[in-house]
Amino acid sequence: EAGVTQSPTHLIKTRGQQVTLRCSPISGHTSVYWYQQALGLGLQFLLWYDEGEERNRGNFPPRFSGRQFPNYSSELNVNALELEDSALYLCASSLTGVHYEQYFGPGTRLTVT
Amino acid sequence: AQKITQTQPGMFVQEKEAVTLDCTYDTSDQSYGLFWYKQPSSGEMIFLIYQGSYDEQNATEGRYSLNFQKARKSANLVISASQLGDSAMYFCAMWYNQGGKLIFGQGTELSVKP
Repeated sequence: EAGVTQSPTHLIKTRGQQVTLRCSPISGHTSVYWYQQALGLGLQFLLWYDEGEERNRGNFPPRFSGRQFPNYSSELNVNALELEDSALYLCASSLTGVHYEQYFGPGTRLTVT
Repeated sequence: AQKITQTQPGMFVQEKEAVTLDCTYDTSDQSYGLFWYKQPSSGEMIFLIYQGSYDEQNATEGRYSLNFQKARKSANLVISASQLGDSAMYFCAMWYNQGGKLIFGQGTELSVKP
């Protein structure tokens, strides 16, 4: 069974640009979660999508947004990139209602210069 | 407010010895779950072990065991017979019954010496 996949693996952007990160959940999983891990820090919850709807949002500005598609894959969009957005962005998926059992993807490493 | 605290930024252990990684948590919820994840340098988060707040016995998964002391709000990870491949960052996390999110500690970097 394929795990959670994320693309791209690495990304370099300039301050002020916009970026889109992608995540495909494990087959059968309908919930997708996004986390940000800045260098040397723990994971910070960003967003939770379930059945196409945004269910919860972490303490991040509105320029962080996303969506979930009918096939349950998800995108994370970050507008007006700032230097402190440089981080590893991890996506996780779970079965609906079993959100304590989250499986993580390999992450996308974003560098903002 | 929910919070996870890992007070050991870095730990060293000799190969084949046991090591305990500390984790304390704070929550007013009665129903919650505690997790440990391993993050190698590649970045992927690998699930190690889970303990539910109502579980009376400590969780074990192979060489990993979770020392759950509910009254003290601690959930320490014990790794027995350390291996070189155990060198990684270890994160303690808590899921609580609203919001559908995991709260993570700051992590402990474990280095296993040959």
